[in-house]
Amino acid sequence: DAKTTQPDSMESTEGETVHLPCSHATISGNEYIYWYRQVPLQGPEYVTHGLQQNTTNSMAFLAIASDRKSSTLILPHVSLRDAAVYHCILERNNNNAPRFGAGTKLSVKP
Amino acid sequence: AQTIHQWPVAEIKAVGSPLSLGCTIKGKSSPNLYWYWQATGGTLQQLFYSITVGQVESVVQLNLSASRPKDDQFILSTEKLLLSHSGFYLCAWSLRLGAEQYFGPGTRLTVL
Repeated sequence: DAKTTQPDSMESTEGETVHLPCSHATISGNEYIYWYRQVPLQGPEYVTHGLQQNTTNSMAFLAIASDRKSSTLILPHVSLRDAAVYHCILERNNNNAPRFGAGTKLSVKP
Repeated sequence: AQTIHQWPVAEIKAVGSPLSLGCTIKGKSSPNLYWYWQATGGTLQQLFYSITVGQVESVVQLNLSASRPKDDQFILSTEKLLLSHSGFYLCAWSLRLGAEQYFGPGTRLTVL
């Protein structure tokens, strides 16, 4: 599976809109882009995923570049509860082993 | 709604002792089930997955074994714990391979 690259950490303030980048320059045509987030001592939480089109749900907006070599998870109006490690992962249908890396640690200040 | 339960919540065990961790999924029939391990400060590693009762595939060898005795139950075990087994164990489920996974609350294991 292709690899993703994310910044180690990002800082924000409550109420801001946060853009979390992910680079996946060698993504294959059949790989979906998945985002999870994890807070300490809890399991990861599914956030969203997409293949080619931008997607949106109650948690976030996922913007996918037209060449699919990068994506950005956009968190509107972050709160303290959004502080977590955000993981960008590539997965193929019917493939098992998602690879969690270090992710981006998002800090949110009051 | 689907619920995922893991037991125990936390465990402190001696090196060389046996271990059994459990995971139960309610509200979803025939889910794919997964075991993950995360060392303190480390990344999440998938250990096993199962797509049906009685069938378990190993992903990473850590001197652990897994079994799926029922459709809604996944067990992780070993006969002899090592210090390196300490960490956070997570169970997860999905509708199919490659789909989004939903994780349980985890079990924190300390091996002394």
